[in-house]
Amino acid sequence: GQQLNQSPQSMFIQEGEDVSMNCTSSSIFNTWLWYKQEPGEGPVLLIALYKAGELTSNGRLTAQFGITRKDSFLNISASIPSDVGIYFCAGHLTAAGNKLTFGGGTRVLVKP
Amino acid sequence: NAGVMQNPRHLVRRRGQEARLRCSPVKGHSHVYWYRQLPEEGLKFMVYLQKENIIDESGMPKERFSAEFPKEGPSILRIQQVVRGDSAAYFCASSPGGANTEAFFGQGTRLTVV
Repeated sequence: GQQLNQSPQSMFIQEGEDVSMNCTSSSIFNTWLWYKQEPGEGPVLLIALYKAGELTSNGRLTAQFGITRKDSFLNISASIPSDVGIYFCAGHLTAAGNKLTFGGGTRVLVKP
Repeated sequence: NAGVMQNPRHLVRRRGQEARLRCSPVKGHSHVYWYRQLPEEGLKFMVYLQKENIIDESGMPKERFSAEFPKEGPSILRIQQVVRGDSAAYFCASSPGGANTEAFFGQGTRLTVV
């Protein structure tokens, strides 16, 4: 089945730093989605990407749909403490139905 | 994720009991998905339903698990004769369907089997 490898698994941020994470897949996807999940809550949609090569921004967040359709990255610029949480990439393949395949998540923590 | 309502938020069941998890999708969404999340892991697809029909149940265990999305009322994920390994967070998501695949998630039901 399809698998999404998300990296890094965790990272520490300092306020003001830029943060980057990515997802790679063994197969192509038609859509990439990025979600953020906070403790005890469900994932919240941050950015949706529908076309290969597409670069989309949402405030301090920027995500790109890789040209091969097998990867995507998410950047967070000028991080702030409330950026802490778990970020998940998810891929959708039309031929596989409407289900999403999720990466393992990137846990963003604040540097002590 | 505004609008997807799941209840209960927390559910404790003894081994062998039944667990019923409810999900009301965003108003106007006719597509519902159930996912399971174990601690420290991503979400795993279980089942996809579209009003009264199961479209894809490839992620659902063959035994003890069932799902429905009746014409009226919420979607129900039912787990019979629960075992400790069923302890997890169960998330429901809904989407309008068609070309728009943006799925919005509820807050989840955290099932603990004791």
